[in-house]
Amino acid sequence: DGGITQSPKYLFRKEGQNVTLSCEQNLNHDAMYWYRQDPGQGLRLIYYSQIVNDFQKGDIAEGYSVSREKKESFPLTVTSAQKNPTAFYLCASMSGGSGVAFFGPGTRLTVL
Amino acid sequence: AQSVAQPEDQVNVAEGNPLTVKCTYSVSGNPYLFWYVQYPNRGLQFLLKYITGDNLVKGSYGFEAEFNKSQTSFHLKKPSALVSDSALYFCAVRDDSSNTGKLIFGQGTTLQVKP
Repeated sequence: DGGITQSPKYLFRKEGQNVTLSCEQNLNHDAMYWYRQDPGQGLRLIYYSQIVNDFQKGDIAEGYSVSREKKESFPLTVTSAQKNPTAFYLCASMSGGSGVAFFGPGTRLTVL
Repeated sequence: AQSVAQPEDQVNVAEGNPLTVKCTYSVSGNPYLFWYVQYPNRGLQFLLKYITGDNLVKGSYGFEAEFNKSQTSFHLKKPSALVSDSALYFCAVRDDSSNTGKLIFGQGTTLQVKP
């Protein structure tokens, strides 16, 4: 999956808990993205970051938070404010030159 | 607003037959178009892209895509389908309205290749 790792592969969350999904890349890409995938809805953008210490909300940012303290890392926290967090979460990074996004293997989050 | 549409939820084809997965787009400027493939419980894999140049773009695993500006389409094709091509396919356009490199994805099309 192109030098991007995500962990854990499966994650279970209880009601009211915050959980953090890890995303690491060794591709030296500046831009990183978090997408949420639900059946039949394609991928929707949660947050993105074009440079260290800077990030912007995507289309469905409510109930999520991110940080970008290192170029290689872009963790996503799913907070208790996210009412329907069960989904498949995909992290991606992009080289500005090619415009091609490289995706991690994904984390499947399930709320118990 | 920029958007991508994949009009078919599923495409069924027999092994050895040609396949087409349809995609139409709407952009305000020049389109930057992509196709990705996803196998079950995996991330997306890049297949091919159109930025400029020839309307027929060749990509990985024998796939190609035809860019048609007048019909605003970017259909994915393969001359001879394999059972192993069965997967979920996404068309995407780069959102250049904000210079962020964000991708806008279609809903996805499931390709089922039967032996």
